[in-house]
Amino acid sequence: DAGVIQSPRHEVTEMGQEVTLRCKPISGHNSLFWYRQTMMRGLELLIYFNNNVPIDDSGMPEDRFSAKMPNASFSTLKIQPSEPRDSAVYFCASSLAIPGNTIYFGEGSWLTVV
Amino acid sequence: AQSVTQLDSQVPVFEEAPVELRCNYSSSVSVYLFWYVQYPNQGLQLLLKYLSGSTLVESINGFEAEFNKSQTSFHLRKPSVHISDTAEYFCALVQEGRRALTFGSGTRLQVQP
Repeated sequence: DAGVIQSPRHEVTEMGQEVTLRCKPISGHNSLFWYRQTMMRGLELLIYFNNNVPIDDSGMPEDRFSAKMPNASFSTLKIQPSEPRDSAVYFCASSLAIPGNTIYFGEGSWLTVV
Repeated sequence: AQSVTQLDSQVPVFEEAPVELRCNYSSSVSVYLFWYVQYPNQGLQLLLKYLSGSTLVESINGFEAEFNKSQTSFHLRKPSVHISDTAEYFCALVQEGRRALTFGSGTRLQVQP
């Protein structure tokens, strides 16, 4: 089992540039989550999908952020335009949509916006 | 609304000493409770979880946590820690009927020789 795969692992970009983070969930999982981790705010849920459909995007900070899940094996989180305050670790996670089931996390994408 | 409180941001402890990491939660509905561990520069890994049944749950590496409904707590304990247990520990919940985890702010466990 390859686990949740995220890319890139590290990205440094200039303010104003577009950033795209990618995620491949564990095969067979039908729930996918994007979390953001910062020192100030800890781990925050940005959005989650069930069967490729966005269920709760109330955590998406603003219109600069967008997330898509075109199929069961791929999701993207896009920031356009990026700002220094977007610097954080972005985690993708997946699970089976069964109550109490374990949610598995990727290694994270470490984003620095300068 | 739901929330998870981890009162201790850092817990320094000597190797082979016991440790308790505190977690309290608030929810208007039933919850499932989790402890995740994050080693430096890595993702989060599940340590243990409580779904139902026995209130004491154990992990494979010697940690245990006890669900206490009356005190709305899910404290994590280990009777003897190792240097390799140095990491950040997150308590989290999922409300019944929902899917996403709500995390506490984390507790950094620092095991010293």
